[in-house]
Amino acid sequence: AQKITQTQPGMFVQEKEAVTLDCTYDTSDQSYGLFWYKQPSSGEMIFLIYQGSYDEQNATEGRYSLNFQKARKSANLVISASQLGDSAMYFCAIGGGSNYKLTFGKGTLLTVNP
Amino acid sequence: DADVTQTPRNRITKTGKRIMLECSQTKGHDRMYWYRQDPGLGLRLIYYSFDVKDINKGEISDGYSVSRQAQAKFSLSLESAIPNQTALYFCATSDPGTEGQPQHFGDGTRLSIL
Repeated sequence: AQKITQTQPGMFVQEKEAVTLDCTYDTSDQSYGLFWYKQPSSGEMIFLIYQGSYDEQNATEGRYSLNFQKARKSANLVISASQLGDSAMYFCAIGGGSNYKLTFGKGTLLTVNP
Repeated sequence: DADVTQTPRNRITKTGKRIMLECSQTKGHDRMYWYRQDPGLGLRLIYYSFDVKDINKGEISDGYSVSRQAQAKFSLSLESAIPNQTALYFCATSDPGTEGQPQHFGDGTRLSIL
């Protein structure tokens, strides 16, 4: 079984500052992937970034980076230079095993203040 | 045009009615999924399909059925809707040939059952 824990129900950040959203996971799979998704208030789910369990380098996609610490089972999302449009719900998810089904956390609501 | 299209976008119906939510995709992905999202619970997997002949139950399949009519089409049915099936429903697709197999979501269907 897989599990994702997001301990921050809500986070606030000032525009142009960096913010870290926490995610810890539990899995019995040797090979797995970690994902972050963004859900704006309009409701759609937007894929942001992926990290494979065997990747030694942290994944980066533009202003998003994933701080992967395998021994700690954490996969935190770092957003640099926050923008007002980054205000949204953020979900961490894990997939693995033979079918790579995703298990999602409960999400963190990020608010970017001007 | 969206790569993953869900219809309808919104639906209000009464307890006991049969409802079908439809999903079509132009991404050419073999794998398709149905999730529901409830406030505070994140996304939970209802059914998934790896090809037209391969359909599997997810975490919360009771009260739901699916049909994979073609590679591009995956429908979710509620045979006799009940109020606790009120939720936001998402269809997603993934390509097993892509690293990490990230899932790409439709815009969701808001379903209210009175």
